[in-house]
Amino acid sequence: GAVVSQHPSWVICKSGTSVKIECRSLDFQATTMFWYRQFPKQSLMLMATSNEGSKATYEQGVEKDKFLINHASLTLSTLTVTSAHPEDSSFYICSARPGLALYEQYFGPGTRLTVT
Amino acid sequence: RKEVEQDPGPFNVPEGATVAFNCTYSNSASQSFFWYRQDCRKEPKLLMSVYSSGNEDGRFTAQLNRASQYISLLIRDSKLSDSATYLCVVNTRGGADGLTFGKGTHLIIQP
Repeated sequence: GAVVSQHPSWVICKSGTSVKIECRSLDFQATTMFWYRQFPKQSLMLMATSNEGSKATYEQGVEKDKFLINHASLTLSTLTVTSAHPEDSSFYICSARPGLALYEQYFGPGTRLTVT
Repeated sequence: RKEVEQDPGPFNVPEGATVAFNCTYSNSASQSFFWYRQDCRKEPKLLMSVYSSGNEDGRFTAQLNRASQYISLLIRDSKLSDSATYLCVVNTRGGADGLTFGKGTHLIIQP
């Protein structure tokens, strides 16, 4: 149980285009989902917290207009990287917390984005 | 000072050895602590939670020292499959928020 999927697994796109990444909780409902980013040899950094039915909360330094988050249902959150640039190339990982859990988070397999 | 600090390694140890890592965290109000394992180019996977009383899961033992703000992980009888990056993770702002990750300690088990 507690499986989280992410699609796509990897994507290569040209500078200036937008990319949407989906995060789904497959066998549980997630009232809260988190989006992280990991650059090579760096730690995972929390980008934003997404609560179903409300606006996402972004961490300091993360542009909300560039990284659009939608959490329209209890099993799906999407992250859209708008007008992507090479410096946005990174490993994007989502996690989902079951509705009644306080500390548990289950991670998706990640999406590797390369912007050329 | 970084919120969660770890020695990045790499630690090269022979198969069967016992190895220990530690990390320190800066926020004394942190409430929950974890060790995650991350394989190359994969997502992190929860290895174990860390409790003040210390806890053991098979070959793995985790300990927390709140006074020193220090967390440790001990791996006994290491296996080749233990080679990975071990991430010290802290929930610094309560259950409603995301996790703060250390950079990880890279462990290489040699045959």
